[in-house]
Amino acid sequence: DQQVKQNSPSLSVQEGRISILNCDYTNSMFDYFLWYKKYPAEGPTFLISISSIKDKNEDGRFTVFLNKSAKHLSLHIVPSQPGDSAVYFCAAISSKVAGANNLFFGTGTRLTVIP
Amino acid sequence: DAGVTQSPTHLIKTRGQQVTLRCSPKSGHDTVSWYQQALGQGPQFIFQYYEEEERQRGNFPDRFSGHQFPNYSSELNVNALLLGDSALYLCASSLVARDVYGYTFGSGTRLTVV
Repeated sequence: DQQVKQNSPSLSVQEGRISILNCDYTNSMFDYFLWYKKYPAEGPTFLISISSIKDKNEDGRFTVFLNKSAKHLSLHIVPSQPGDSAVYFCAAISSKVAGANNLFFGTGTRLTVIP
Repeated sequence: DAGVTQSPTHLIKTRGQQVTLRCSPKSGHDTVSWYQQALGQGPQFIFQYYEEEERQRGNFPDRFSGHQFPNYSSELNVNALLLGDSALYLCASSLVARDVYGYTFGSGTRLTVV
């Protein structure tokens, strides 16, 4: 049962334009959400996160938006750069479940930024 | 400062065999989590080790077992390998169990079962 879903396997964007990556979740117990970036032959690296008490978090070119009622979050990258080309994973965790220390990941979206 | 080190990087095993994967956590980290990433899928949690004990386990059969050593390094063992065990196995370390923000992932071990 996939509790975190990324329905777009790939996305291509022109350099300088906005990239929008989407993520949906089904488990209402999730209260922290993270985005990871993964280059080939490397492990995922943490990019940005958001708590369920917020609806927006910004870090430089990266902004994550959370819509709790829709159980949807999105990552905006503005402006997109060729170095942003990677696979992006959405992940979620619940602080409400005792002993729950694991992340639930989506299937990833491969972003290609075209120079 | 070395990050998370996993070995080997690639491995080919025959169905029915056993395999051991190794992980050295980032310096200063004491918790190790293992994830399986099948082709086209996101990483799935296998288990987490802290203070040499398995603290939490995902939905994986008992064929998957692990160990953590006093120096915080960890092993993942898989018995009776199936073709479906072919995947990238990722190790993540952190300072405390719930510090997912502080997760550092290794580059993974690519296991192919033939």
